[in-house]
Amino acid sequence: DAGVIQSPRHEVTEMGQEVTLRCKPISGHDYLFWYRQTMMRGLELLIYFNNNVPIDDSGMPEDRFSAKMPNASFSTLKIQPSEPRDSAVYFCASSPGPLSYEQYFGPGTRLTVT
Amino acid sequence: QKEVEQNSGPLSVPEGAIASLNCTYSDRVSQSFFWYRQYSGKSPELIMSIYSNGDKEDGRFTAQLNKASQYVSLLIRDSQPSDSATYLCAVKRGGGADGLTFGKGTHLIIQP
Repeated sequence: DAGVIQSPRHEVTEMGQEVTLRCKPISGHDYLFWYRQTMMRGLELLIYFNNNVPIDDSGMPEDRFSAKMPNASFSTLKIQPSEPRDSAVYFCASSPGPLSYEQYFGPGTRLTVT
Repeated sequence: QKEVEQNSGPLSVPEGAIASLNCTYSDRVSQSFFWYRQYSGKSPELIMSIYSNGDKEDGRFTAQLNKASQYVSLLIRDSQPSDSATYLCAVKRGGGADGLTFGKGTHLIIQP
């Protein structure tokens, strides 16, 4: 079975530009999570969805960040406008839910904002 | 106050020995605990989950949980050079699905 799929794998953009990161969870998983990893702060939860509905977005750093999940197989994380401090690796993870709350991570998107 | 704490290392262990990784957490209502392995430049890979006090074994890995002491550990027996990685401890609050709170990880080096 395919794991979590993320695109693009690398993104380099200039400050002020809009960035969209994409994620396809594992088929049948009801929960989708977005995390960000930096050297300074480690791995942090940004937002998570259950059955396409955002449940907890308290980790979203500011209004420049938004996330959507229009259907069970696709989610986006958008940053507009981007800033150099947004440079990080962004991971998407999915979890089956009530039978198991184990989370499985995608390969990540390495974002560099210059 | 850090919610999940780990010694950053590096922890250097000779090949074939037992590697012991430790993690403490601050939130007493935490219910579920996970160990992830992360190679440099790669994504976290789930290796163990534990929900009840005591030990849980899976191959060369043993997770240990002590909720009273708010302590979880991971033992790796017969350490191999391929075990060299950063090990992340993660904690989930409550009994339902929720985001994970991660420690910053312990960098483990297995010396051949």
